Amino acid sequence: LAKTTQPISMDSYEGQEVNITCSHNNIATNDYITWYQQFPSQGPRFIIQGYKTKVTNEVASLFIPADRKSSTLSLPRVSLSDTAVYYCLVGDIRGNTGKLIFGQGTTLQVKP
Amino acid sequence: EAGVVQSPRYKIIEKKQPVAFWCNPISGHNTLYWYRQNLGQGPELLIRYENEEAVDDSQLPKDRFSAERLKGVDSTLKIQPAELGDSAVYLCASSPNIPDRAGETQYFGPGTRLLVL
Repeated sequence: LAKTTQPISMDSYEGQEVNITCSHNNIATNDYITWYQQFPSQGPRFIIQGYKTKVTNEVASLFIPADRKSSTLSLPRVSLSDTAVYYCLVGDIRGNTGKLIFGQGTTLQVKP
Repeated sequence: EAGVVQSPRYKIIEKKQPVAFWCNPISGHNTLYWYRQNLGQGPELLIRYENEEAVDDSQLPKDRFSAERLKGVDSTLKIQPAELGDSAVYLCASSPNIPDRAGETQYFGPGTRLLVL
């Protein structure tokens, strides 16, 4: 399973765009990149997943360069409620092997 | 649709006492996971079930931890006896056989926060 590296913490202000980058230099061909969000006293919640290029949903965008050795989670116009821990995970989801390896995550603090 | 249900939400016990956590996964999800999350860390997998079978329990401290999923639905995680270092949040997650359209693979419950005194 590919190891991921992401910043321990980030600060932002309401209304700004936040980009959190994750490094995964030894990503395998069949690996997908998934981001989870976790609020205090809650379990992690799926945000977005991608394999290459760009993926966008109603809450975030995920940018993956051609070499796939990194990825960037983009949160547009953050609000105070986006204060949370964000985890980047890399693994082969096909067949649902179930092995999610969480790192320390990035603690995002959104300020008014 | 109801999410993953866990109980209790909080538990305080003295060391050497037993404790049990209960999880009810999302209906139709055959795969169930137990994770432990220490303060400031990401969750780490303890055990994974496919229906009634524990298919990955390599990270479960078997001297004091046990788990069961008798009918392939609800699951119980037990610690006996508890130690101070067991203080953590215990998360249960479930997943469908096929990832959903967005690729989401696991749905987490709110967790049980255990404090061992």
